Amino acid sequence: QKEVEQNSGPLSVPEGAIASLNCTYSDRGSQSFFWYRQYSGKSPELIMFIYSNGDKEDGRFTAQLNKASQYVSLLIRDSQPSDSATYLCAVKKVEAGNMLTFGGGTRLMVKP
Amino acid sequence: DTAVSQTPKYLVTQMGNDKSIKCEQNLGHDTMYWYKQDSKKFLKIMFSYNNKELIINETVPNRFSPKSPDKAHLNLHINSLELGDSAVYFCASSQDESYFGGRGHSTDTQYFGPGTRLTVL
Repeated sequence: QKEVEQNSGPLSVPEGAIASLNCTYSDRGSQSFFWYRQYSGKSPELIMFIYSNGDKEDGRFTAQLNKASQYVSLLIRDSQPSDSATYLCAVKKVEAGNMLTFGGGTRLMVKP
Repeated sequence: DTAVSQTPKYLVTQMGNDKSIKCEQNLGHDTMYWYKQDSKKFLKIMFSYNNKELIINETVPNRFSPKSPDKAHLNLHINSLELGDSAVYFCASSQDESYFGGRGHSTDTQYFGPGTRLTVL
C-alpha cells in the first residue's frame, strides 16, 4: 500500500462546476497535509495546507481533513480552464525531518 | 529575483558519467530538499538538509550525494549515472520547523525550483 494514494484521473469537469479531489494516507502519525498544483512542465506550487479535522477555505478552494478516516480532499468551486493541472496531495510528519510524502497526483481537466 | 533556482534546466549525459545539479535559494530559508519526479509524475523526496542535519531517504542509492557549501545552496552530485536516473529533479526550500499555535504542527511551506530534466543515454 502506498503511503499517500490519489486517483490518477483524469478528472474531467465542466467550467463552473465543483471539482472534488481526494487523497488517502496510511500513516496515522501524519500531522500536516498539503495540496500542491503542478502545471505540465512546471514545478509544484502550494495551494493549501491543513492540519486540523474539518474544512479550511481559501477563495475558491476548500481543503477537508478527516483523520479518523485518513482522508484529505480538495474542492475547487467555480472551476476554470486555468485550473487544469495535476493536483498533488502531500503529508508530513514532524519527526520525518520536515520531508513531504507525495501522492501520485490527480490530473484535472476543466472543459470550457 | 527567482526564489529557488536550479542549473542546468536540461542535462543530457551518458551512462557512467558523474554530474552535478546546482540549487540556490534567496529566501533565507534554513532547510533545503531534493526531490525526484519520474516519468509517471511521482514526486519522491530524496534528501532533507539544514545546517544541523542531513536526512536521507533510505531508498536513495549512495551514488547520490547532496553537498551544501552554505545555507543558500544545496547541490546534488550523482556518480556513475544509470538509465533509471532519468527524471526531473526538483530542489525546494523552507523555513525551519514552525509550530502553529505551539501545538507541534508543522505548516511551513516548501518552495520548489523550476526543475532539472536529466536524461541518461
